[in-house]
Amino acid sequence: IAGITQAPTSQILAAGRRMTLRCTQDMRHNAMYWYRQDLGLGLRLIHYSNTAGTTGKGEVPDGYSVSRANTDDFPLTLASAVPSQTSVYFCASSARGGQTEAFFGQGTRLTVV
Amino acid sequence: GQQLNQSPQSMFIQEGEDVSMNCTSSSIFNTWLWYKQEPGEGPVLLIALYKAGELTSNGRLTAQFGITRKDSFLNISASIPSDVGIYFCAGRFSGSARQLTFGSGTQLTVLP
Repeated sequence: IAGITQAPTSQILAAGRRMTLRCTQDMRHNAMYWYRQDLGLGLRLIHYSNTAGTTGKGEVPDGYSVSRANTDDFPLTLASAVPSQTSVYFCASSARGGQTEAFFGQGTRLTVV
Repeated sequence: GQQLNQSPQSMFIQEGEDVSMNCTSSSIFNTWLWYKQEPGEGPVLLIALYKAGELTSNGRLTAQFGITRKDSFLNISASIPSDVGIYFCAGRFSGSARQLTFGSGTQLTVLP
């Protein structure tokens, strides 16, 4: 089934550890996004990529990095996790940058202890 | 950053009732979107609006892009139990890097 696959589904991580959240889409969408969702705050954009080879900072980029080596993959890395990064992380993609983020992944629930 | 105020935060309604929720922004938006999220899932797009005054329906759902371009509403008619979930508005304002800003969501509970 075409769509977005995120891994892992959930993770408990010790503070200070490095972690990469994986996101793969098979729709050949140009644009991809990472959001975090916290209770009462909706979804906040962390980083985005309008096309392979380019990335940009969203609303809450600090503590996170991304890369976009190809069209399909958009990993999100926490270099040194902190408890405030406990959240549900969603990857999304759209056909073109600036267009509707029509497709979201199932999310990764991350707990930093 | 840009802010979206979504209300109400939560709603408890009887099955069969109509529902209305809305979002207002501090800036002019050129796109309004409405998503629904169910537990353990990612948001799913319900309706997209691209023009001021636009009124669009998707089954029992109707959404409008406000004339001032600073607000949008979503109506659900004749609610059913499967309407339960969190509804998010999202908007894209002119002059941004074409990224979306999300409201904080409306938690809808439908009572039998």
